[in-house]
Amino acid sequence: DADVTQTPRNRITKTGKRIMLECSQTKGHDRMYWYRQDPGLGLRLIYYSFDVKDINKGEISDGYSVSRQAQAKFSLSLESAIPNQTALYFCATSDPGQLSGELFFGEGSRLTVL
Amino acid sequence: KQEVTQIPAALSVPEGENLVLNCSFTDSAIYNLQWFRQDPGKGLTSLLLIQSSQREQTSGRLNASLDKSSGRSTLYIAASQPGDSATYLCAVYNTGANSKLTFGKGITLSVRP
Repeated sequence: DADVTQTPRNRITKTGKRIMLECSQTKGHDRMYWYRQDPGLGLRLIYYSFDVKDINKGEISDGYSVSRQAQAKFSLSLESAIPNQTALYFCATSDPGQLSGELFFGEGSRLTVL
Repeated sequence: KQEVTQIPAALSVPEGENLVLNCSFTDSAIYNLQWFRQDPGKGLTSLLLIQSSQREQTSGRLNASLDKSSGRSTLYIAASQPGDSATYLCAVYNTGANSKLTFGKGITLSVRP
């Protein structure tokens, strides 16, 4: 089983629909992140959480919200999806205890908004 | 604000060549630098992580170096193979209370048989 699991892996939806992408991890890391990847733009940080009670906006948080339900779970929501939110979304984790900052990624969730 | 640059965006080489992928960053106040590999439509796999106090790390045919003062890192791939074809991204982890990774846009490598 993967250490960082994202569901769904693929989703097609319509403009205006509410979408939730879920991430769970078995690495025991406190820090979790949501990124989106677009061709030519690279990876951009949407939200990040350093522990269950900590939520921080990243570079491009508008139109998104997150929920840190437990140390192992971090969900990303699009309240009203729009076509320019079509992208590949990645969840990642890291362990601050080591101060190494090494990131471990999930396999990604491909979202298409029609 | 940290900026990470990877040039060129794409590279095509014949099998067997030794090659160097470059990464530059603007703010030298970093904890570490990480190189990732990404296959099309897949997640990112960590290849090498260099702490700010280190000069290089090696794993198999891969060697990554870090020159923090000049804001540069290189990923050296020895004896390239078609299976090395992928996108290679570097990312720097800045110091500070809310430190996080800043990614380059990646270099798409194609190794021709």
